[in-house]
Amino acid sequence: DAGVTQSPTHLIKTRGQQVTLRCSPISGHKSVSWYQQVLGQGPQFIFQYYEKEERGRGNFPDRFSARQFPNYSSELNVNALLLGDSALYLCASSGALGAGTGELFFGEGSRLTVL
Amino acid sequence: AQSVTQLGSHVSVSEGALVLLRCNYSSSVPPYLFWYVQYPNQGLQLLLKYTSAATLVKGINGFEAEFKKSETSFHLTKPSAHMSDAAEYFCAVSDRSSNTGKLIFGQGTTLQVKP
Repeated sequence: DAGVTQSPTHLIKTRGQQVTLRCSPISGHKSVSWYQQVLGQGPQFIFQYYEKEERGRGNFPDRFSARQFPNYSSELNVNALLLGDSALYLCASSGALGAGTGELFFGEGSRLTVL
Repeated sequence: AQSVTQLGSHVSVSEGALVLLRCNYSSSVPPYLFWYVQYPNQGLQLLLKYTSAATLVKGINGFEAEFKKSETSFHLTKPSAHMSDAAEYFCAVSDRSSNTGKLIFGQGTTLQVKP
């Protein structure tokens, strides 16, 4: 079975541009979460979607947005890119809403570089 | 607010030696606790998690962790290190009462295993 897949794996943007990152969860999983991992730090929670509804939002500006589609895949959009947005963006899927009741399976991430 | 502190950003052990990676948490109520491992250019993989009941949790690859409420700690141990254990390790917490997939990660500890 396929794990969590993310695309693109690497991308380079310039300041002010917009980027869309994509995630396909494990088949049957209805929860998708997004995390930002800056080099040398632990991942930081951005969003969680469950059954196509936003169920959690981290401390990120409104430039960050996401959505989940009927097939449970998800997109993360970042507008007006800043140098500080350079990071590894991780997607995680789970078969349950809560972290205590379902295991989070992470993809390999999309590495964004903003020049 | 919940938080996680990993003591030691870099730990070096010899092959066959004990591995001890330290994690302390801050939470008003006992949270869910997790240890994840990240190999270079890969996503995060769950090693083990504490949700309730048994305070000594056994995970994959011979790792285990003990939840100590009095010390607000969840240290990760392995009796004998293998070269393949060299990776980045993250401790994480989740709010038991919110029932979301949001994890709060520590800064990470890089484990080096010397031959």
